Amino acid sequence: AQKITQTQPGMFVQEKEAVTLDCTYDTSDPSYGLFWYKQPSSGEMIFLIYQGSYDQQNATEGRYSLNFQKARKSANLVISASQLGDSAMYFCAIADSSYKLIFGSGTRLLVRP
Amino acid sequence: GAVVSQHPSRVICKSGTSVKIECRSLDFQATTMFWYRQFPKQSLMLMATSNEGSKATYEQGVEKDKFLINHASLTLSTLTVTSAHPEDSSFYICSARVGQGSYNEQFFGPGTRLTVL
Repeated sequence: AQKITQTQPGMFVQEKEAVTLDCTYDTSDPSYGLFWYKQPSSGEMIFLIYQGSYDQQNATEGRYSLNFQKARKSANLVISASQLGDSAMYFCAIADSSYKLIFGSGTRLLVRP
Repeated sequence: GAVVSQHPSRVICKSGTSVKIECRSLDFQATTMFWYRQFPKQSLMLMATSNEGSKATYEQGVEKDKFLINHASLTLSTLTVTSAHPEDSSFYICSARVGQGSYNEQFFGPGTRLTVL
């Protein structure tokens, strides 16, 4: 069974600074995908970034980058130059060969002006 | 591209009634659709996996007679909450998968907020 652990229920960051949101995972499947989603108060799930288990390089999407450490089974999200609009819930998720997404408990990020 | 819609976005109903939620892939054919439920301040929990033309596969602990899923076409899946009760009040989100082999092909709908009085 897949499992995602997010140990930070809440995080604060100063506007324009970088922040790292932690995510560790557990799976017995050699092939899997890791995701980060942003969920604002409206509830929609906004896809941020994806990392495949066989990808050699860390994924980057604009201000988002994924620090993928396969041996440690971690997939931390780094947000650079935080903006006020980044305040939201952030979920890490894993998909295995069934393509089901299993989500972590989430981290609420608050960006301070 | 890759837009998924849900209807309705918000519904309030009386206890004992049934509520149908539609999930549509607007610009692609979805081989698989997933239904998730999210209680306030909690994470998304997978309820069931739905494939066109076949019976849905429910996750452990999800009552299949309570949450009826129909996947009639490659662009439409419906979730019916039968005899809804206040404890069924939740945020229901669907996702649709294109199915070309990559994990990164699942797109979420905007969600439906159900309140049962």
